[in-house]
Amino acid sequence: DGGITQSPKYLFRKEGQNVTLSCEQNLNHDAMYWYRQDPGQGLRLIYYSQIVNDFQKGDIAEGYSVSREKKESFPLTVTSAQKNPTAFYLCASRSNPGTGGFLGSPLHFGNGTRLTVT
Amino acid sequence: GQNIDQPTEMTATEGAIVQINCTYQTSGFNGLFWYQQHAGEAPTFLSYNVLDGLEEKGRFSSFLSRSKGYSYLLLKELQMKDSASYLCAASPSYNTDKLIFGTGTRLQVFP
Repeated sequence: DGGITQSPKYLFRKEGQNVTLSCEQNLNHDAMYWYRQDPGQGLRLIYYSQIVNDFQKGDIAEGYSVSREKKESFPLTVTSAQKNPTAFYLCASRSNPGTGGFLGSPLHFGNGTRLTVT
Repeated sequence: GQNIDQPTEMTATEGAIVQINCTYQTSGFNGLFWYQQHAGEAPTFLSYNVLDGLEEKGRFSSFLSRSKGYSYLLLKELQMKDSASYLCAASPSYNTDKLIFGTGTRLQVFP
């Protein structure tokens, strides 16, 4: 079955350490996204990538970095510069349906990684 | 500015009908999505509306009024498994990659 896999489900790190969250999809989707979810707030976009070897900053990119070396993979690194890294991180992907671009194409989400930094 | 408003919590009884409202303000508008998210799990796609009117999919329906910046998700014949958060997300026309998400409405269904 096709889908998006995020690992690990729970991650614990000490303050000051960088940590990388994995996201892999076998849906053959062009675009991939990283969101952060905090209690009482809507999903906020961190980074996104529409094609391999290219990515753009979202609304809250500071303290994060990404790479897109393969179509299937879009890892997110939470650096020590991120001031409030404890959160639920969601990876998503979607296909480009054609001449309309991504309009109307729904996001497919992974099951998330809950990161706790102490 | 960009803003999405939806109620924080709602409760309903099994077998009943519930309507979850969403109002939005975006720079241009290219449609509105509804997602369902069970606690600790991935959001799953429910519906997409870009034209005014009602879209029906089984027990779930979604309505859009572009002139009023308003949408609602209607859930009929509620089941216990419908207890979840329901996320409203608008697609602004300046960048279809940047969905604007609401905070979500947590629905609790009681027997």
